Amino acid sequence: DAGVTQSPTHLIKTRGQHVTLRCSPISGHKSVSWYQQVLGQGPQFIFQYYEKEERGRGNFPDRFSARQFPNYSSELNVNALLLGDSALYLCASSLGPWSTDTQYFGPGTRLTVL
Amino acid sequence: AQKITQTQPGMFVQEKEAVTLDCTYDTSDPSYGLFWYKQPSSGEMIFLIYQGSYDQQNATEGRYSLNFQKARKSANLVISASQLGDSAMYFCAMRPIQGGSEKLVFGKGTKLTVNP
Repeated sequence: DAGVTQSPTHLIKTRGQHVTLRCSPISGHKSVSWYQQVLGQGPQFIFQYYEKEERGRGNFPDRFSARQFPNYSSELNVNALLLGDSALYLCASSLGPWSTDTQYFGPGTRLTVL
Repeated sequence: AQKITQTQPGMFVQEKEAVTLDCTYDTSDPSYGLFWYKQPSSGEMIFLIYQGSYDQQNATEGRYSLNFQKARKSANLVISASQLGDSAMYFCAMRPIQGGSEKLVFGKGTKLTVNP
C-alpha cells in the first residue's frame, strides 16, 4: 500500500510570495495533520483536518491556512512568505482524529524562502 | 500543556550493541499516549512504537522496546542489536487521550550514530 505522499519535494520562493503544499493520505485514512519542522527542532503542529473540517490549529499566524478535499487529500497554503517560514513541512495521516490513532508521516516538502 | 524533553543531543553506539534514548515528559492530562519516531536524513518521520499511559506492560516492536516509568514520567526507547541503518534522528512525542487535543507534541530529538 502507498504511504503518505507530498508534493513538491523541494520548493524555493522569495519573501512575500505565496506557496501551496499538497498531501495525499494513506488509503482509508480520513484525517490529515500538518507540521512545520525548522532545522534542529522537532515538528510543530499547524493544523489537523478530519472529514473536511478543521479539528485543531496550532500557534501559527493567519498567513497559514489549509483545507481538505472530499478525497481526503489536503493543501497547506502560506501567504506573504517570510524568511522564517523556511522549514520542512510534514503531512501526517491517520484513520481518524482520535488521540489513540497513530499518525503516519510523508516525506515532507522542504521550503526555502530567500 | 504538554512538554517533551530529550536531553541527549547525540548518542553513539557500536553495531550489534543495545542503546537507550531518553525521554521525559510533563503533562497534567490523566491519560495520554507516547510515541517514538525515527527520522533518517531523507526527512520522513517513521513511526516506531506506541505506549498508552494506561497500558500495564511496556510496549515492544521487534528490536524496539519502550521503558515506561509512569511515576518518573519517562518513556525511554531501547534499541537492541543496533544496525548501521539505525543511524538517524529519533523523536519522542506525546498526545493526550482525552480532552480533544489532536496535536502531537515533539521533543527536540536525539541523533543516533551507529558505528561499524
